[in-house]
Amino acid sequence: KQEVTQIPAALSVPEGENLVLNCSFTDSAIYNLQWFRQDPGKGLTSLLLIQSSQREQTSGRLNASLDKSSGRSTLYIAASQPGDSATYLCAVRPGSSASKIIFGSGTRLSIRP
Amino acid sequence: SAVISQKPSRDICQRGTSLTIQCQVDSQVTMMFWYRQQPGQSLTLIATANQGSEATYESGFVIDKFPISRPNLTFSTLTVSNMSPEDSSIYLCSGGNSYGETQYFGPGTRLLVL
Repeated sequence: KQEVTQIPAALSVPEGENLVLNCSFTDSAIYNLQWFRQDPGKGLTSLLLIQSSQREQTSGRLNASLDKSSGRSTLYIAASQPGDSATYLCAVRPGSSASKIIFGSGTRLSIRP
Repeated sequence: SAVISQKPSRDICQRGTSLTIQCQVDSQVTMMFWYRQQPGQSLTLIATANQGSEATYESGFVIDKFPISRPNLTFSTLTVSNMSPEDSSIYLCSGGNSYGETQYFGPGTRLLVL
């Protein structure tokens, strides 16, 4: 059974710092992995999608990497800004059951001005 | 990309009543899903909404409690039936066209059951 874990559960850093959010999954046979952002009281915004054959994806100040063999993904945020404050969710689409996305519990990020 | 809207955005309901949540997508999508996010927790898939046929429910969720309709490729409803305080959650609609593509989410419906 696929399980997705995100550490830390919460993170607070000063503005301008580069930071890394971690995601691990127990079954390396995945279809793809997606990072989402959730603002309080709102839905999810897709940030980056990495297919199982890819190693990384970049969008602006965000870079997501995928290491399937070790069951890990990281989301790198460069030059953090207060507007980056949100909960970041990692979600895995299993290879054996591609219809179902399995979410991690999220990392609540706070950027201090 | 797809933009997904939900109605209502929030509601406060009495125990024993039912609430129907509507989900509208601005373009046709092959797949539509309903998720629940309980306070302080991550998202759990309730069911896959199938056009013109019965929804496919995940373990722990049943049609009598969460009836779902999907009459076409842009619209779906989720009903939370005979509500109890344990049903207080955020309910999110999601859609997409392919397992290899981004899955989009609505803003969610915040439900509080008293």
